[in-house]
Amino acid sequence: DTGVSQDPRHKITKRGQNVTFRCDPISEHNRLYWYRQTLGQGPEFLTYFQNEAQLEKSRLLSDRFSAERPKGSFSTLEIQRTEQGDSAMYLCASSLHIRDTQYFGPGTRLTVL
Amino acid sequence: DAKTTQPPSMDCAEGRAANLPCNHSTISGNEYVYWYRQIHSQGPQYIIHGLKNNETNEMASLIITEDRKSSTLILPHATLRDTAVYYCIVRSTMNRDDKIIFGKGTRLHILP
Repeated sequence: DTGVSQDPRHKITKRGQNVTFRCDPISEHNRLYWYRQTLGQGPEFLTYFQNEAQLEKSRLLSDRFSAERPKGSFSTLEIQRTEQGDSAMYLCASSLHIRDTQYFGPGTRLTVL
Repeated sequence: DAKTTQPPSMDCAEGRAANLPCNHSTISGNEYVYWYRQIHSQGPQYIIHGLKNNETNEMASLIITEDRKSSTLILPHATLRDTAVYYCIVRSTMNRDDKIIFGKGTRLHILP
């Protein structure tokens, strides 16, 4: 257990539905990252936050995706109008400062039917 | 693209040392070598990192060649629980951009 928690661990939804995932980073960690991992591939970067500021978004993060970290603590990742191609493991990581070691949570596995 | 090259898979007998190679021939002087592993259906787990010198912790040892173009992660006494995908990553100490770029890693099978 790294101290990064994610909820839910598994989510099954129907195409077209909206889903929201939550990540709680290690306490006092300023930076929070979201990654996505599809079967057989390594994790791919989606976005990251420094405190409450979202500093970078990948091209993978289409306009159906939105992430927030309103108080600089937990973060949410919302996917609107889910598609089957959104089926993946969504991973959250946190680090104390820039360029510090990133610690990952257990992930949320999304299945879109 | 990932800046590292790793074999896609390796086998190791339980109780023996597992030596996982990584090639990072284009590494620059300000880039660290990091290793993570991912056990099936779990998030990546940090193992170890280093810049120039060899490093050891309770999980593993990291041996970096003098020219820094390659490294080896050593699990001294592999157990069945070490079966996982191992990722070798290079990360800059200078860039504002500190996202991790993962490759496909090495799938390590520990054989009983």
